[in-house]
Amino acid sequence: SAVISQKPSRDICQRGTSLTIQCQVDSQVTMMFWYRQQPGQSLTLIATANQGSEATYESGFVIDKFPISRPNLTFSTLTVSNMSPEDSSIYLCSVDPHGGSGYGYTFGSGTRLTVV
Amino acid sequence: LAKTTQPISMDSYEGQEVNITCSHNNIATNDYITWYQQFPSQGPRFIIQGYKTKVTNEVASLFIPADRKSSTLSLPRVSLSDTAVYYCLVGERSTGNQFYFGTGTSLTVIP
Repeated sequence: SAVISQKPSRDICQRGTSLTIQCQVDSQVTMMFWYRQQPGQSLTLIATANQGSEATYESGFVIDKFPISRPNLTFSTLTVSNMSPEDSSIYLCSVDPHGGSGYGYTFGSGTRLTVV
Repeated sequence: LAKTTQPISMDSYEGQEVNITCSHNNIATNDYITWYQQFPSQGPRFIIQGYKTKVTNEVASLFIPADRKSSTLSLPRVSLSDTAVYYCLVGERSTGNQFYFGTGTSLTVIP
């Protein structure tokens, strides 16, 4: 199974600033997914990132607020821009290391973001 | 997108078998059923996946009736360490398929 390194694990940021979250996978994967999980809630898919093309965003999420980079098959970043306290959440990246073969997706341990 | 419905929470005593049922009335022909487990401060972890009938691995069993409109995750002889949130998802098993999480079931195992 793939191993995901997600950085930073947590951060406290001032409102109006931006934070870039990194997701590094130890194997090449076609697509990477970014999720948000607000305290005590389920996971919400933000966007799907495919190497070499623009990310596909879910309803309610826009590129200007959550720009994503996918420079290669093992790495992606999610930036949370112009942060407000409502952006305080856990952000997780996810990959399918088995190419749809039935062993599920692997998730990073998440980045806990607090905006003050 | 097939929506899933699960109980919000369940309690169980240590050593008991726990069955968590998920309803997915609008499941599509190509959809598989996948369960994840999430501990606090961790990302979800894959437990089991199935299409029909019964699937068993070293962690759990998954029972899927013929109409596939529901599924039951069975955890044998739970321990305190099984206290977690369990998510049922449905979707195609293809590379890059997005998965959408429902509310999940918060399982508390009581000593």
